[in-house]
Amino acid sequence: SQQGEEDPQALSIQEGENATMNCSYKTSINNLQWYRQNSGRGLVHLILIRSNEREKHSGRLRVTLDTSKKSSSLLITASRAADTASYFCATDRGDYKLSFGAGTTVTVRA
Amino acid sequence: EAQVTQNPRYLITVTGKKLTVTCSQNMNHEYMSWYRQDPGLGLRQIYYSMNVEVTDKGDVPEGYKVSRKEKRNFPLILESPSPNQTSLYFCASSSQAPPTGDNYGYTFGSGTRLTVV
Repeated sequence: SQQGEEDPQALSIQEGENATMNCSYKTSINNLQWYRQNSGRGLVHLILIRSNEREKHSGRLRVTLDTSKKSSSLLITASRAADTASYFCATDRGDYKLSFGAGTTVTVRA
Repeated sequence: EAQVTQNPRYLITVTGKKLTVTCSQNMNHEYMSWYRQDPGLGLRQIYYSMNVEVTDKGDVPEGYKVSRKEKRNFPLILESPSPNQTSLYFCASSSQAPPTGDNYGYTFGSGTRLTVV
C-alpha cells in the first residue's frame, strides 16, 4: 500500500520561480527520501531526511519534515528547465520496505 | 562507475512464456529491491532482499519470484506472465546502516519496460 502521497499531482512554473511540493504519510518513519525521475528513466536519489531532523539543504533543494503532522515538503529554488521531472517522496519505516507515493510532475517553462 | 544494471531495457512477450529480468549492482550493497511503476500508482514494491539468500515479499508479489544467490545479482522471474504484468520495472539497491536498517537512499537501474500480449 502507498505510504506517501504527494501534493499537488502536477505543477507548472516559470523558469526562475520556486517549486514547492508536499508529501503526507501515514505511519511513523525512520527517514523520508525524495527522488527525481526524468521521463521514463530510473529514479535519482535527491535527499534523505531522518526522523529526528527538521530541515535539510542540498544545493537548490530544501526539505522539511514535520513528524507531528506526518508531512514533508520539497522546495526547489530558482528552477531551471532541467528541473522538469517527476518528484517522488519515499518513506522508510524501518521494516525494510521503502514506500513511494504517486509523484508530483513538475514542468518548468522557459 | 557505481551502478545498477538491468536487462533487457525493453521486452515484449506473450502470455505464459516464462521470462527473467536481470539486475546486477557493483556497489557491494546488501539491500536490493524490485518495483513496478504504473501510471497514477507510483512505484509499488514487488520483492526485496536484505542479503544473500534472504528475500521477502513487498506489496505486490503475486505472479513474481526472485532469488539472491550472490550479493550482486537479484533477478526477477515471471513464471507465467499475464497482460496485467505489463509495466515499467525498476531494480534498486542500497547499503544498510546497522542496527536500525536505516538506508542511505537507493540507486536505481534504468528500468525494463515489459509488455505482455
